[in-house]
Amino acid sequence: SAVISQKPSRDICQRGTSLTIQCQVDSQVTMMFWYRQQPGQSLTLIATANQGSEATYESGFVIDKFPISRPNLTFSTLTVSNMSPEDSSIYLCSALWGESAQYFGPGTRLLVL
Amino acid sequence: KNQVEQSPQSLIILEGKNCTLQCNYTVSPFSNLRWYKQDTGRGPVSLTIMTFSENTKSNGRYTATLDADTKQSSLHITASQLSDSASYICVFNAGNMLTFGGGTRLMVKP
Repeated sequence: SAVISQKPSRDICQRGTSLTIQCQVDSQVTMMFWYRQQPGQSLTLIATANQGSEATYESGFVIDKFPISRPNLTFSTLTVSNMSPEDSSIYLCSALWGESAQYFGPGTRLLVL
Repeated sequence: KNQVEQSPQSLIILEGKNCTLQCNYTVSPFSNLRWYKQDTGRGPVSLTIMTFSENTKSNGRYTATLDADTKQSSLHITASQLSDSASYICVFNAGNMLTFGGGTRLMVKP
């Protein structure tokens, strides 16, 4: 299995501010993803982080709100911009090895006041 | 539209008992199906992975089954432990697109 780490593990933020979440993988991977999991809900894909190009966003998510970077094959960041209480959620990074081995990071628990 | 529905939504069992969680799906075709365990506030951890052609896969006390005719998968947990208390999610992979079930919240009581 692979090791995926995220920082921070949790944070409490004021509305209107922004938070950048980092995701580090212990080996090079083909694809990286960012998910959101709101309280009591299943995971929702935000975007696919593409190395060297702009991320591919799912319906309902936009780059201005969730800018994503992926400067290399082992690292990605997700920024939650201009936060509101509705952004309180767990944000999960995921990485795909080969065609089918997908693993998740431990998550970042965000509370927006 | 691909859908994955899990049942029950929540389940309470006594420590040491067995339980079975269900996952009904319409995803077709798919390359593999995973069952994940997700502790509260943490990321999902893979328990089992099966390709579309497999019928069963075990990992310790966890046994997953797949019935392509009825489009059902189940996760059977034997001799439950307090540490099994978590959410269990079935996830289908089709062309690197994942479809998640809503999860079953399991609570194991002493």
